Amino acid sequence: GIQVEQSPPDLILQEGANSTLRCNFSDSVNNLQWFHQNPWGQLINLFYIPSGTKQNGRLSATTVATERYSLLYISSSQTTDSGVYFCAVVNFNKFYFGSGTKLNVKP
Amino acid sequence: NAGVTQTPKFQVLKTGQSMTLQCAQDMNHNSMYWYRQDPGMGLRLIYYSASEGTTDKGEVPNGYNVSRLNKREFSLRLESAAPSQTSVYFCASSESFGGQNTEAFFGQGTRLTVV
Repeated sequence: GIQVEQSPPDLILQEGANSTLRCNFSDSVNNLQWFHQNPWGQLINLFYIPSGTKQNGRLSATTVATERYSLLYISSSQTTDSGVYFCAVVNFNKFYFGSGTKLNVKP
Repeated sequence: NAGVTQTPKFQVLKTGQSMTLQCAQDMNHNSMYWYRQDPGMGLRLIYYSASEGTTDKGEVPNGYNVSRLNKREFSLRLESAAPSQTSVYFCASSESFGGQNTEAFFGQGTRLTVV
């Protein structure tokens, strides 16, 4: 299967700071999604972004499929942004997840 | 609009017991999935169903069976539970066509403990 690597594995931010999370993948994919897993374990869809750039409020994402990576930008972070951010890619109808970036935003 | 609904939300089993996790989606999606998430790790695919009437193994299928009952429902069965199957189980669905998949949606998870 496809290898998905996320970096950094852990990130601590002061409220108001900006951050960039990275997702690298090992093969061609036909879909890429970013999820936020909140402290209660719920997986929340952030972006469906097989290519290009999308923005939603303070969050934006860019996928460069030809170079096999995606970036998630968080601006003006808030304590509610804390949790784990997962990247998932799709190849032949299977979704493969990275190990996640654990974000802790301190007030 | 409920999306993906999983039952139960919590379960404790004794080693050797069997149980079935239920999943239903109301988005008319073709594809459905079962994942497990162990502490501090990402999600690993157990089984998936690309369309009604088909099922395929994922990365970690041993100890599990699945049934795609109809287009809406996809169940996961543990025939003889083992402590190594203690995990959080997620069901998901997405639309699929011509080898392409659209956005996946996940249920709220089932927290299973095997003692």
